[in-house]
Amino acid sequence: AQSVTQLDSQVPVFEEAPVELRCNYSSSVSVYLFWYVQYPNQGLQLLLKYLSGSTLVKGINGFEAEFNKSQTSFHLRKPSVHISDTAEYFCAVNRRGATNKLIFGTGTLLAVQP
Amino acid sequence: GAGVSQSPRYKVTKRGQDVTLRCDPISSHATLYWYQQALGQGPEFLTYFNYEAQPDKSGLPSDRFSAERPEGSISTLTIQRTEQRDSAMYRCASSLIPGLAGEETQYFGPGTRLLVL
Repeated sequence: AQSVTQLDSQVPVFEEAPVELRCNYSSSVSVYLFWYVQYPNQGLQLLLKYLSGSTLVKGINGFEAEFNKSQTSFHLRKPSVHISDTAEYFCAVNRRGATNKLIFGTGTLLAVQP
Repeated sequence: GAGVSQSPRYKVTKRGQDVTLRCDPISSHATLYWYQQALGQGPEFLTYFNYEAQPDKSGLPSDRFSAERPEGSISTLTIQRTEQRDSAMYRCASSLIPGLAGEETQYFGPGTRLLVL
């Protein structure tokens, strides 16, 4: 079975500072990896996904993530955050070749302060 | 439609009552998913449909939970004899291509927050 760990439940950061949101996964088979963002009163929105190829994935709103197979990690980064990035971020995995059943982490609340 | 819509957005009910939640996916999307998200947790898979077929309902917590998608578009999730532990956000998502396509992007609706008193 697959599982996802997001160790940081909250990450406070000042505006224009860099940020990294950590995600580690556990799986005995190959997986696809996703980051979703949830803004207040909205549905989950895809930020980026890793399917294959280059391990550095660029997404919307200036976010990027790097797939590290040896460390089973898929950390999300942004070099300079804005107030509008305040939201909850979810990492998710899906087993290759299986039902499209996302397994989510518990989420990280990114709180950007002026 | 332009996006996935869900109704109602909020539902308060008394323990023992039945509730039905509705999801209207993106019109061209073949696959529809239901997730349950408890407070402080990530969404957890309940079931999914390819058109009107329901290949996997392994995530439904008990036989009190059932879902339908009779015409392959709108879906309903029904919880019978609700219990307080059913209180959660219920999220619906849809994706374009049916079948085993794990790389497909799922597009989520705003969710229905259910509170069972």
